Amino acid sequence: GESVGLHLPTLSVQEGDNSIINCAYSNSASDYFIWYKQESGKGPQFIIDIRSNMDKRQGQRVTVLLNKTVKHLSLQIAATQPGDSAVYFCAENSGNQFYFGTGTSLTVIP
Amino acid sequence: DGGITQSPKYLFRKEGQNVTLSCEQNLNHDAMYWYRQDPGQGLRLIYYSQIVNDFQKGDIAEGYSVSREKKESFPLTVTSAQKNPTAFYLCASSAGQRTGELFFGEGSRLTVL
Repeated sequence: GESVGLHLPTLSVQEGDNSIINCAYSNSASDYFIWYKQESGKGPQFIIDIRSNMDKRQGQRVTVLLNKTVKHLSLQIAATQPGDSAVYFCAENSGNQFYFGTGTSLTVIP
Repeated sequence: DGGITQSPKYLFRKEGQNVTLSCEQNLNHDAMYWYRQDPGQGLRLIYYSQIVNDFQKGDIAEGYSVSREKKESFPLTVTSAQKNPTAFYLCASSAGQRTGELFFGEGSRLTVL
């Protein structure tokens, strides 16, 4: 099966700092990527997505970077807030199904 | 509001019993999915359905069964054949298998006593 890995299972940042969460994927044919946020006991929420014909996409306080050469995806959160504390997953899709990483737990320190 | 509704949120089951988890969506999505989530692991696909009356096994289908009689509904039955059923189960839908994001429900936590 596919392998989607996340660097650093936990990340702690000070409130107001920027956060960077990384993800490696293995299938070079994957053409669609999503970042999800999951709070404890809840379902994942869509944050931002990017297709393989792009290398950067920005949303509100979030930016996703895609490096297809090294099969690496990152999520940048600007001015991290306490409400950003959650587990963040990346997901890749090559057309057949989504494959998910194990998640990075982000803790924001007030 | 449009979305995906899973029920029950919490469910307890004795060993040897079958249980059915409900998933309903009013997003008019064609594709629906069931995932299992365990601590320290990524979501794993149990079953998915692209259209009514059709579904396919995912990576960990053994011990589970599904039906897709209506576009809006995709119930999952956890049978007694599932060796380790205690987990958090997530239902999701998308406009199509190759189209767009997955929308998730709030999950159902099954505990086998």
